[in-house]
Amino acid sequence: GAVVSQHPSRVICKSGTSVKIECRSLDFQATTMFWYRQFPKKSLMLMATSNEGSKATYEQGVEKDKFLINHASLTLSTLTVTSAHPEDSSFYICSARRRDTEAFFGQGTRLTVV
Amino acid sequence: AQKVTQAQTEISVVEKEDVTLDCVYETRDTTYYLFWYKQPPSGELVFLIRRNSFDEQNEISGRYSWNFQKSTSSFNFTITASQVVDSAVYFCALSEAGFNKFYFGSGTKLNVKP
Repeated sequence: GAVVSQHPSRVICKSGTSVKIECRSLDFQATTMFWYRQFPKKSLMLMATSNEGSKATYEQGVEKDKFLINHASLTLSTLTVTSAHPEDSSFYICSARRRDTEAFFGQGTRLTVV
Repeated sequence: AQKVTQAQTEISVVEKEDVTLDCVYETRDTTYYLFWYKQPPSGELVFLIRRNSFDEQNEISGRYSWNFQKSTSSFNFTITASQVVDSAVYFCALSEAGFNKFYFGSGTKLNVKP
């Protein structure tokens, strides 16, 4: 299967700072990337969908100014959690999709805001 | 609307027992895909199987088997002769045609005790 790499795998940041998470498709060009959030012991919830070169589409209830998504190239999408607070602590997972094929998931990033 | 239900929140079995994880889905689409993923404590999603809506054949892969029944909108997963390494959270997911979004169930935590 295709490889999707997420970085960092774990990050701890101070409240009020911003943190960037990268999602890279290593061996294919991802026309679409997705960002999911998983609360402890909960399921994965789609946050947003991004297509290369265009603005991300956010799911209802997700603050677009809080979670900035950039899909600048066919192999890289970034999620920036701005002015992070402890309630933003969560597990974030990206997935990447080639045109008309299934999506592949990254390893996830565990964010802890202290 | 798409929805995936995993009614079993947590299951505990003793090693070598067989265990079945239930998954029931809802969709109005005629073309869709069903998935099972394993999430160990490290957090990454490990792909187990993908099934399209037109293929109702059951599948067996080693100790794993899947039963897809469109008549009951179910896609159950059975682990035969469970092992401690099978302990994880298992997610069932539904994807639209085109793999635009994944709808995850709430997950079933499987504890396999020695």
